[in-house]
Amino acid sequence: GAGVSQSPSNKVTEKGKDVELRCDPISGHTALYWYRQRLGQGLEFLIYFQGNSAPDKSGLPSDRFSAERTGESVSTLTIQRTQQEDSAVYLCASSARTGNQPQHFGDGTRLSIL
Amino acid sequence: RKEVEQDPGPFNVPEGATVAFNCTYSNSASQSFFWYRQDCRKEPKLLMSVYSSGNEDGRFTAQLNRASQYISLLIRDSKLSDSATYLCVVRGGSQGNLIFGKGTKLSVKP
Repeated sequence: GAGVSQSPSNKVTEKGKDVELRCDPISGHTALYWYRQRLGQGLEFLIYFQGNSAPDKSGLPSDRFSAERTGESVSTLTIQRTQQEDSAVYLCASSARTGNQPQHFGDGTRLSIL
Repeated sequence: RKEVEQDPGPFNVPEGATVAFNCTYSNSASQSFFWYRQDCRKEPKLLMSVYSSGNEDGRFTAQLNRASQYISLLIRDSKLSDSATYLCVVRGGSQGNLIFGKGTKLSVKP
């Protein structure tokens, strides 16, 4: 597709389970970003990839969170041993490169931890 | 001081009104600036980039004041469809990630 694609669009899981969220960036976009947005709150930066490497992972809230990117394309965000406070919309964005290029967002994955 | 600060609003204005939002940023080395809009329960979408000389896109005008480290967005002749949250976005220094403000909520009433 032409835009950033995220899957699943919705995920409901029990506390303590692991979840994996997927992001397909716009083809050719070298930069990829993950954000979290809790209900009624602003965007919270999690991690950024340039190619397959992550020069800035300062926003990952704990060691339960990890992300990887392969082939300078798809990225997965993994949350282990989920907690209720992990409930949020997880947004992925990509841009052609860093610098002055704006980011284009996917529709997000709405994660609910029971 | 937060990296990007915005008045959360809400701004409640009648159709046809002119409304302005301001945003301040803390990192003087910031190079790139944007305004995004986010509709309720939707992803953010780029509204416009902000250039040093100021720029206009239809009813929307963006200004940058580097000396004072603030960015503004002016919306003229407000439409009902302008109701959304407007996010001020700054690229933090040499890093690639964008720093988002918490947004200013605008509600345009008939």
